[in-house]
Amino acid sequence: EDKVVQSPLSLVVHEGDTVTLNCSYEVTNFRSLLWYKQEKKAPTFLFMLTSSGIEKKSGRLSSILDKKELFSILNITATQTGDSAIYLCAVTSEKLTFGTGTRLTIIP
Amino acid sequence: KAGVTQTPRYLIKTRGQQVTLSCSPISGHRSVSWYQQTPGQGLQFLFEYFSETQRNKGNFPGRFSGRQFSNSRSEMNVSTLELGDSALYLCASQAEGLASETQYFGPGTRLLVL
Repeated sequence: EDKVVQSPLSLVVHEGDTVTLNCSYEVTNFRSLLWYKQEKKAPTFLFMLTSSGIEKKSGRLSSILDKKELFSILNITATQTGDSAIYLCAVTSEKLTFGTGTRLTIIP
Repeated sequence: KAGVTQTPRYLIKTRGQQVTLSCSPISGHRSVSWYQQTPGQGLQFLFEYFSETQRNKGNFPGRFSGRQFSNSRSEMNVSTLELGDSALYLCASQAEGLASETQYFGPGTRLLVL
């Protein structure tokens, strides 16, 4: 059975700090890994990663995939209160399997 | 383009009843996937429909079923509701349902079973 594990489960930091969120996976027929941000509504897409070692970047957010060690990280630099959300990692194989998410809280 | 829409947004039912949720994908998208989200289990895949056919299925009991219409709109039905079915039900659409495509989520239907 496909499995996606995210850590930490929750994280509280001060505004301006840098955070690293982790996602490890065990799936058969890996196709891609996705990161989503979920606030009080539906998840919104952040990144899709398919190749190892290639960093994807969008503003203060960046992510990279390691297909040999089966994990990905999501970095957020200079965090802001608007970054407070649940960050979900998902892996596509024959279907999409989500991790339980990391709840990130940014304290002003 | 209009986004993914789901109706109703909120629903309260009692145990033993059945419920039907509706999802309209982004225009032109043919793949619709359904997910259940609960605080304890996170997002769990229910099933995916593509061109009116169920293409993939998660590990949920037969009480959970779905269908897709020729206009790609999809419905999900849960029969004999149980308290544990209380959750946020999300649908997501993709053009072809390929791993290379982004999945767009609707706002969800929050179901409360009493």
